[in-house]
Amino acid sequence: DGGITQSPKYLFRKEGQNVTLSCEQNLNHDAMYWYRQDPGQGLRLIYYSQIVNDFQKGDIAEGYSVSREKKESFPLTVTSAQKNPTAFYLCASSILLGQQNEKLFFGSGTQLSVL
Amino acid sequence: AQTVTQSQPEMSVQEAETVTLSCTYDTSESNYYLFWYKQPPSRQMILVIRQEAYKQQNATENRFSVNFQKAAKSFSLKISDSQLGDTAMYFCAFMKRRYLNTDKLIFGTGTRLQVFP
Repeated sequence: DGGITQSPKYLFRKEGQNVTLSCEQNLNHDAMYWYRQDPGQGLRLIYYSQIVNDFQKGDIAEGYSVSREKKESFPLTVTSAQKNPTAFYLCASSILLGQQNEKLFFGSGTQLSVL
Repeated sequence: AQTVTQSQPEMSVQEAETVTLSCTYDTSESNYYLFWYKQPPSRQMILVIRQEAYKQQNATENRFSVNFQKAAKSFSLKISDSQLGDTAMYFCAFMKRRYLNTDKLIFGTGTRLQVFP
């Protein structure tokens, strides 16, 4: 079955530690996104990538980094510079616009907490 | 910059009744898409309905329909015959339309809907 897989489901970070959240899709989608969701709030965009080896900052990119070496994969690293990383992280993907079916498909999310 | 506003933090409805969730947005773009996503307690984001701005006809998906008022920049979601499984957080979202390219989805802050038996 095609879809987006995020791992792990739960992740704990120690002070000063970098952690990486995985996102893999087998939908052959060109664009991939990372969103952060805080309790009771909407989703805020961290980074997005429209093609391999290219990505753009979203609204809250500080303290995060990404890579897009393969079309299927878009890992997010939460660095020690992110002082308030506790949140629910959602990965999404979409096909190119112009194909009359533009929408985002979401993974099941990763809950990151600070120890 | 585009913004999406959902002015109802919480709503409740009795099973089998109809409820309408409000959404307004601000943009200078003429070509765009609007979406309603549902997030149940599992926290999985599920697409409910999608509207293309250049289409005047309101989108419908079974019990879900929208009232799209482009001039007023309003995009409300009507849920008919509400079911217990409709209990969730509902997010309104906006995406610019770009030719042969894709763009980011901008979300509102959400409306928590509780369906009572």
